[in-house]
Amino acid sequence: DQQVKQNSPSLSVQEGRISILNCDYTNSMFDYFLWYKKYPAEGPTFLISISSIKDKNEDGRFTVFLNKSAKHLSLHIVPSQPGDSAVYFCAASEGTNAGKSTFGDGTTLTVKP
Amino acid sequence: DGGITQSPKYLFRKEGQNVTLSCEQNLNHDAMYWYRQDPGQGLRLIYYSQIVNDFQKGDIAEGYSVSREKKESFPLTVTSAQKNPTAFYLCASSIVAAADYEQYFGPGTRLTVT
Repeated sequence: DQQVKQNSPSLSVQEGRISILNCDYTNSMFDYFLWYKKYPAEGPTFLISISSIKDKNEDGRFTVFLNKSAKHLSLHIVPSQPGDSAVYFCAASEGTNAGKSTFGDGTTLTVKP
Repeated sequence: DGGITQSPKYLFRKEGQNVTLSCEQNLNHDAMYWYRQDPGQGLRLIYYSQIVNDFQKGDIAEGYSVSREKKESFPLTVTSAQKNPTAFYLCASSIVAAADYEQYFGPGTRLTVT
């Protein structure tokens, strides 16, 4: 049973437009959510996070929204740039679980010039 | 520069052989993690360590072993008992083992077993 799901394997957007990446989770004990970005043949790098006590967190062009009742979060990238093309992983953690993160399968974002 | 080093980048082994993947960090982080990634899938946790001389099994620990004798090192051994060892292996660390601390990842080791 996959507890973190990213239902869109890929997303293609035009440069300058908004990219919206979605993530759903089933475990109501998750209380911290993180997004990581991964380029080919490299390890993931942390992008942005949100605590379950918030519904929005913003960092420059990146905003994460959390809807706890729907168990859904989304990452908005505005404006999208070609350098944003990468695989984006959603991860969820329980505060009492020693930092163990459960990852989704990732969404490959392609930003076309 | 602080970071995580994994070596080698590519590793080839014959079936039935044990192989050890290296992971070193100079970030002075207490917690370290090993993940496995298969094509089209997310990262699955193999083992993690919250502190030196302590480690716990993750979701897919069978066929793997680890040690944490030094704070900066967390080697992973893929044993012959691991049925499908060919995968991309990622090591990570965080300041402490807590949900609200992001993990820093190494570049990964791609292991191929034939």
